[in-house]
Amino acid sequence: DVKVTQSSRYLVKRTGEKVFLECVQDMDHENMFWYRQDPGLGLRLIYFSYDVKMKEKGDIPEGYSVSREKKERFSLILESASTNQTSMYLCASSPLLGQGPIYEQYFGPGTRLTVT
Amino acid sequence: EDQVTQSPEALRLQEGESSSLNCSYTVSGLRGLFWYRQDPGKGPEFLFTLYSAGEEKEKERLKATLTKKESFLHITAPKPEDSATYLCAVQAATPLVFGKGTRLSVIA
Repeated sequence: DVKVTQSSRYLVKRTGEKVFLECVQDMDHENMFWYRQDPGLGLRLIYFSYDVKMKEKGDIPEGYSVSREKKERFSLILESASTNQTSMYLCASSPLLGQGPIYEQYFGPGTRLTVT
Repeated sequence: EDQVTQSPEALRLQEGESSSLNCSYTVSGLRGLFWYRQDPGKGPEFLFTLYSAGEEKEKERLKATLTKKESFLHITAPKPEDSATYLCAVQAATPLVFGKGTRLSVIA
């Protein structure tokens, strides 16, 4: 079974803190993704990565950065946390997206981040 | 711009009362459509991938179908454990675009 793990289920941080959310997948997937999920807004893509040290902006990258130093690990960084970043953060992974079959994304359990 | 619209937003069914959830999409060059189930406080769980119009997939009480403009998730004789939010997503040239989901409640 594919397994995507996230470092914390619940996290409480103060405004202005630097926050690291870690994601690890064990299926040797090339692609990794970070989403946030808010009531009424659905899942929104923050950043994604097709390979080690590569990153692409998603729909809402402002206020976030990412790091992918190893294939299995993708980190989301909130440089200076703000209250409007309170949300559920979901990491996902999938095999390489090429011209061949399309592969589903597998999600982690999520991190509920509260910024006070 | 790729768009996915799910309806209804919420659906309440009695146990055993069959129904369908709708996912309408506008996308250039659909490569795949995905259905996920999400329980409260958890990450989405993959259910189905559909690749072309006319395709159908089944899993227990769930059946997903695809046309050129929409997909349906049919739930036959649902049970309380089918209560969850069901998400639809489409894949074209860019990463997945998700709908906002349908929140299904099945009452015993």
